[in-house]
Amino acid sequence: QKEVEQNSGPLSVPEGAIASLNCTYSDRGSQSFFWYRQYSGKSPELIMFIYSNGDKEDGRFTAQLNKASQYVSLLIRDSQPSDSATYLCAVYSGGGADGLTFGKGTHLIIQP
Amino acid sequence: KAGVTQTPRYLIKTRGQQVTLSCSPISGHRSVSWYQQTPGQGLQFLFEYFSETQRNKGNFPGRFSGRQFSNSRSEMNVSTLELGDSALYLCASSLGGVSLITDTQYFGPGTRLTVL
Repeated sequence: QKEVEQNSGPLSVPEGAIASLNCTYSDRGSQSFFWYRQYSGKSPELIMFIYSNGDKEDGRFTAQLNKASQYVSLLIRDSQPSDSATYLCAVYSGGGADGLTFGKGTHLIIQP
Repeated sequence: KAGVTQTPRYLIKTRGQQVTLSCSPISGHRSVSWYQQTPGQGLQFLFEYFSETQRNKGNFPGRFSGRQFSNSRSEMNVSTLELGDSALYLCASSLGGVSLITDTQYFGPGTRLTVL
């Protein structure tokens, strides 16, 4: 059973600070990793993906991947109230019957 | 470029009925995946279609089925509805192709199904 674990939160961060969201996965063969943002009542929206060890930056967002530790994180710099949402980590393991395996998400609250 | 569209957006059915949901992918995308989202289980993968063929399937009973048409539009069918089938059903489209490692999925707005 492939699992993706996230702290459900809520994670409360002051406006302008860095929000750090973490995700661990069980399948060592996992190949690519996605972060989605989901506002209440809306569908998931892709933020970014990463598939190589290290950091990947896109605007205020940085994804970090450590395959040896089976750990992926998302940093949000200069957090804004509009960043308040649930952040979903998704993992693709390659083939089989799983498609993307999602964590249950971390609820992030940016306090003005 | 238009995004993924799903119809209908809301459905109310009773136990034992069947339902068909529709998904139109982003133009040029050939892969369509379906997911079920519930508060308790989160997002769970149902199946994926590529070039009219089911390529991957999740751990859902046979009551859940789907198909894809030559224009890449996809439908999902749930027969003999149960109360536990109440959920948000999300469709995601992607380019598809040989390497799925970098294949990025974009979600539609979802269909909210309520089973009474």
